[in-house]
Amino acid sequence: EAGVAQSPRYKIIEKRQSVAFWCNPISGHATLYWYQQILGQGPKLLIQFQNNGVVDDSQLPKDRFSAERLKGVDSTLKIQPAKLEDSAVYLCASSLRGTPGTEAFFGQGTRLTVV
Amino acid sequence: TQLLEQSPQFLSIQEGENLTVYCNSSSVFSSLQWYRQEPGEGPVLLVTVVTGGEVKKLKRLTFQFGDARKDSSLHITAAQPGDTGLYLCAGDTSGTYKYIFGTGTRLKVLA
Repeated sequence: EAGVAQSPRYKIIEKRQSVAFWCNPISGHATLYWYQQILGQGPKLLIQFQNNGVVDDSQLPKDRFSAERLKGVDSTLKIQPAKLEDSAVYLCASSLRGTPGTEAFFGQGTRLTVV
Repeated sequence: TQLLEQSPQFLSIQEGENLTVYCNSSSVFSSLQWYRQEPGEGPVLLVTVVTGGEVKKLKRLTFQFGDARKDSSLHITAAQPGDTGLYLCAGDTSGTYKYIFGTGTRLKVLA
């Protein structure tokens, strides 16, 4: 079974530039998450999708971050404009819905460095 | 706001030693998960606990969910260098599969 695919793996941009990350979840997984993991910390949930609808985006800095999940499959996360403090690993995860404690499968992440 | 506090933050031990990592919160969780994350990789699920007081074993790893479902522990017996990594607990407070991650415990097992 193919895992969660993310691209690119690494990205270096200058502050005030824009960047986009792509995620392809495991086939059939209705729930998709984007997390931000700053070095040395646990992942922080940015946004959760259920199919193509947003379940929770309370931690998403909406003045600069946006995310979409067209057709309820692939998702993109965009930062515009980037700030130095956005340097982090951006993790995408997906899971089935319906049972308590459902497992979330993570991609390898995109490491963003803003200089 | 970080709902889940893990302790210790860092742990360096010798191969063969035992250790316990703690995950504490003031919130009640409908389920709680433990993950291990290696450098350059995403977290990988180790276990999910759902019932208060539940104990699960995975080879040398023992996971316990507190009776009140507010805390959990991970005990590793006879640690090996392959156990090295970042251990993360993650709790779901609302039953919507929205997992909030803890602060993490970085474990290093020396050969």
